[in-house]
Amino acid sequence: QVQLVQSGSELKKPGASVKVSCKASGYTFTDYAVNWVRQAPGQGLEWVGWINTNTGKPTYAQDFTGRLVFSLDTSVSTAYLQISSLKAEDTAVYYCARVTDRYGDPFDYWGQGTLVTVSS
Amino acid sequence: DIQMTQSPSSLSASVGDRVTITCLASQSIISYLNWYQQKPGRAPKVLIYFASRLQSGVPSRFSGSGSGTDFTLTISSLHPDDFATYYCQQSYSTPPTFGQGTKVEI
Repeated sequence: QVQLVQSGSELKKPGASVKVSCKASGYTFTDYAVNWVRQAPGQGLEWVGWINTNTGKPTYAQDFTGRLVFSLDTSVSTAYLQISSLKAEDTAVYYCARVTDRYGDPFDYWGQGTLVTVSS
Repeated sequence: DIQMTQSPSSLSASVGDRVTITCLASQSIISYLNWYQQKPGRAPKVLIYFASRLQSGVPSRFSGSGSGTDFTLTISSLHPDDFATYYCQQSYSTPPTFGQGTKVEI
């Protein structure tokens, strides 16, 4: 069965960096893009960006440009999200979600989420 | 960016009630509208895609309608398992954007 399994919770100080992983199984990793969506405590869903798992090309949401890096290790079907220069406002649950390359398709499978807490 | 506005933000309902949630897009998104259900501490789960298509495995009491800018999610008869927060999301253009959510409470 399709699964996206993310790494565990992180507690970081302001200015530090964090790297979250998302390991896919149950399907061909390169058949689907990986998107990242975050949810601040008690808030709604916010798209962070996506990475093309065939080409490795990332696309970042405008608000995050410069502080995010998406990467892949296709040999282990894993996508990574790295955030640098963390701020308290980055405290959120970060989800990975897959989507086909068909225009307009929904995010059909999601990881369980990784809580990133930024606090001094 | 396309703004998605849901109403109401929350509602109280009883088991067996018919529930309707609306989602308004700031511009036409044709039918590229998806609905998700999220329970506390869990990831969202897609219910409806392309405005009215039921995702595999989702109960038939969920239905979606609309096109252009106005969309509706309907739960025909609320089950205890349906108490959750519901989000609409447009997949018409990048960035994909979500509504603010509708919390369905007992």
